[in-house]
Amino acid sequence: NAGVTQTPKFQVLKTGQSMTLQCAQDMNHNSMYWYRQDPGMGLRLIYYSASEGTTDKGEVPNGYNVSRLNKREFSLRLESAAPSQTSVYFCASSEKRGQGLLRVGYTFGSGTRLTVV
Amino acid sequence: AQSVTQPDIHITVSEGASLELRCNYSYGATPYLFWYVQSPGQGLQLLLKYFSGDTLVQGIKGFEAEFKRSQSSFNLRKPSVHWSDAAEYFCAVARSSNTGKLIFGQGTTLQVKP
Repeated sequence: NAGVTQTPKFQVLKTGQSMTLQCAQDMNHNSMYWYRQDPGMGLRLIYYSASEGTTDKGEVPNGYNVSRLNKREFSLRLESAAPSQTSVYFCASSEKRGQGLLRVGYTFGSGTRLTVV
Repeated sequence: AQSVTQPDIHITVSEGASLELRCNYSYGATPYLFWYVQSPGQGLQLLLKYFSGDTLVQGIKGFEAEFKRSQSSFNLRKPSVHWSDAAEYFCAVARSSNTGKLIFGQGTTLQVKP
């Protein structure tokens, strides 16, 4: 099925460990995003990639790095996990349409639930 | 700075009753506005979006939303709620049409009573 695939779905890390969250989309979208969701705070943008080869910081980038491996894949890396990074992480993608750079919508993955102990 | 506020954290309605979820935004230019729904343990599904034109927008699952520039609001409505509508609802505004970055509200959890 077309969409955004995230792996893993669940992960428990010890403080100081590193890991990479994987995201892939098969809709040929240019733009991809990483959000984190915390209770009462909605979703906050960590990093985004407007197109292949570019990445930029969002609202809460500290403690994270990203790689836009190719047009399909956008990974999020935690170099040294901290308990404050316990969250649900969502990857999303979107596409531009037309001169007005309108978005037809954003497609989200099903999320990665990360616990740092 | 751009922001989105959903004043109601939790709402409980009876099945068959009407629903209105509030959303207020702060944005200097014409916003691109979205409503998403998230069922427990799931990702986000787009309900509807507003970019321009008719201020009353129809979405999936019988939802609609009305853009009111004078009130900086984009409230979500449904005439008759079904038990399956119980979920968390997020309002979002696009910060920039170039990058498509979304700013989300805090979310409203909807509970439906039988």
